[in-house]
Amino acid sequence: GESVGLHLPTLSVQEGDNSIINCAYSNSASDYFIWYKQESGKGPQFIIDIRSNMDKRQGQRVTVLLNKTVKHLSLQIAATQPGDSAVYFCAENIGQGAQKLVFGQGTRLTINP
Amino acid sequence: DTGVSQDPRHKITKRGQNVTFRCDPISEHNRLYWYRQTLGQGPEFLTYFQNEAQLEKSRLLSDRFSAERPKGSFSTLEIQRTEQGDSAMYLCASSPGDGNQPQHFGDGTRLSIL
Repeated sequence: GESVGLHLPTLSVQEGDNSIINCAYSNSASDYFIWYKQESGKGPQFIIDIRSNMDKRQGQRVTVLLNKTVKHLSLQIAATQPGDSAVYFCAENIGQGAQKLVFGQGTRLTINP
Repeated sequence: DTGVSQDPRHKITKRGQNVTFRCDPISEHNRLYWYRQTLGQGPEFLTYFQNEAQLEKSRLLSDRFSAERPKGSFSTLEIQRTEQGDSAMYLCASSPGDGNQPQHFGDGTRLSIL
C-alpha cells in the first residue's frame, strides 16, 4: 500500500554530534522525496529534497541519502544544535510532478546540552 | 512575510456547525494543496489544485468537505455538519507549477470540535 515509515519514533543526541534519521518507503514508483522539519504549533518546514535519479544530495549541515534498491531514505544532520530539536518527516511523491505527498509518522529529535 | 498564510489559526466550534478555512499561497505558486494532520501523525493528503482546477481528491474528503480556488489564488476549505473526528490541524501548502518542486506549508488551522 501507500505508506512511508520511520524506523525510530524518537532520537536523542548530544549537542554537536551528528544525527541520522531513517525512513523506509514502500512505493517503488515514487520519483521525488522530501524531508520536512516540524516544530510545535507550526507547519512542516522544507529541509531538503532528492529526485529518484540521485542517491545523495547535500545542503547546509544536512545530507539526504536515497537507496532505491532497499527503498530507504536517510537524513543526516551534522553538528546538531538545540534549534534542530523537532519532529522530522520524510515524504514521498506519488505521481508525476509534486502532486501528492505521502508522509511517514515522523521522528522526534531531541538535542541534549 | 511571503510564505503560505492560513486563517484562522484556531477554530473551536460545536458539533454540527459548518466551518470555513482560508489559505493564501505563495503568490507565484500555481499549485495549492490541503492536508490534514492529527496528533502524532504525519500530514495526510486531502486535495490539490492546479490554478483554479481541482485535480485530485482523497477518499478522506467526504461529501461534507468542499474546497474551492475560484480565481486560482486563495483557496477555501469548508466542512459542513462537523463531527468529533474532524478535530485536526488543517494544513495548506503551495508549490510552483512545473516539475518536482517542494511544497511549502503554512502553519495550519487547528480545528477543535466540542
